[in-house]
Amino acid sequence: EPEVTQTPSHQVTQMGQEVILRCVPISNHLYFYWYRQILGQKVEFLVSFYNNEISEKSEIFDDQFSVERPDGSNFTLKIRSTKLEDSAMYFCASREPPGVTGETQYFGPGTRLLVL
Amino acid sequence: RKEVEQDPGPFNVPEGATVAFNCTYSNSASQSFFWYRQDCRKEPKLLMSVYSSGNEDGRFTAQLNRASQYISLLIRDSKLSDSATYLCVVNFNAGGTSYGKLTFGQGTILTVHP
Repeated sequence: EPEVTQTPSHQVTQMGQEVILRCVPISNHLYFYWYRQILGQKVEFLVSFYNNEISEKSEIFDDQFSVERPDGSNFTLKIRSTKLEDSAMYFCASREPPGVTGETQYFGPGTRLLVL
Repeated sequence: RKEVEQDPGPFNVPEGATVAFNCTYSNSASQSFFWYRQDCRKEPKLLMSVYSSGNEDGRFTAQLNRASQYISLLIRDSKLSDSATYLCVVNFNAGGTSYGKLTFGQGTILTVHP
């Protein structure tokens, strides 16, 4: 069964450093997302991406964040200058094309980011 | 009011029990509804979509009441493997501008014991 993959599974970084989280969505999916989950809290939407551009973003997704689909396969989330409060699990998700079986989003296993 | 609000839990039930979770959502423009399951430190996994007519998948039954903005999940004959956090998830679609952004509830922890 196709699945969303993410690398790395864990990332430890120093405050102020840049990190890039990588995702490979399911191959025929067209909509891509990043969510985050701070330990003990709910899953929060960060950004959606469609047709090579951001379609929607939350207030969390400020100028420090950016997304890219550099090669038609990978989907990346970059945090330019990490803060302590960026420590969280980051989930990538992708969604089936419209009219297939609905709007199911499939999540990757996540990258656990720890900012020291 | 929280956008998606769930029973606080935790629920601690014996094997074989029936357990019900409730969820309310604040935005009447909501379009799609789901129950996801999340195991400890893992990704959310779709358990089932929720339709207005109600739907059943084996031991799991989901109901939607649009008038009351209320969603429920019923688990019958609980198994040890049902222990997880159950997430009520809503896709708000105000004016057709949503691109599938999901809004999650806080989750309800279920522990099924022998």
